Amino acid sequence: GAVVSQHPSRVICKSGTSVKIECRSLDFQATTMFWYRQFPKQSLMLMATSNEGSKATYEQGVEKDKFLINHASLTLSTLTVTSAHPEDSSFYICSAGTQGWDSYEQYFGPGTRLTVT
Amino acid sequence: KQEVTQIPAALSVPEGENLVLNCSFTDSAIYNLQWFRQDPGKGLTSLLLIQSSQREQTSGRLNASLDKSSGRSTLYIAASQPGDSATYLCAVGDTGRRALTFGSGTRLQVQP
Repeated sequence: GAVVSQHPSRVICKSGTSVKIECRSLDFQATTMFWYRQFPKQSLMLMATSNEGSKATYEQGVEKDKFLINHASLTLSTLTVTSAHPEDSSFYICSAGTQGWDSYEQYFGPGTRLTVT
Repeated sequence: KQEVTQIPAALSVPEGENLVLNCSFTDSAIYNLQWFRQDPGKGLTSLLLIQSSQREQTSGRLNASLDKSSGRSTLYIAASQPGDSATYLCAVGDTGRRALTFGSGTRLQVQP
């Protein structure tokens, strides 16, 4: 099946610094990638939808200047958390979408746990 | 705006029991529905994907049904095992919006 990787799997950073998370579709091309965030004991919430070669579409309440998304190729999207604060500590999961012959499916990465100290 | 609700929020059963997890959604204009498993601190494992034109999908001891008109899906787990202990998430894909909307999950504990 389709494989999506994320790097790093875990990252600890100091408050005020920036962190970049990479999401790659390893064996297929994804015109659209999605970024989700999951706080402890909560479900996944969509942050933004990223289309290759265009600006990301952010969900209401998500600061686009704080969470920078770049989708430069059909296999790579990056999420940069700028000027991170402890409240940004969360589990970030990406997914890559692909259109099958009769369906649209998303494949999820393993997630990145961000801890801001 | 699509809302997905999962009941119960938590469930503890003895090993061997058959169980049903429920998922409901408010907008029936969906293109598919997926059930995922999530172990503590881990990512998502896709269990079953039901297209909007389908009524059910089966994989091993798992069976998922979809009633789009009533906005409901169930995940049936037969002969539960301690290894089934995890959080089960239901997610729907809305027509015209490719992103998934997730429910809050059901935390399952299967006692040996």
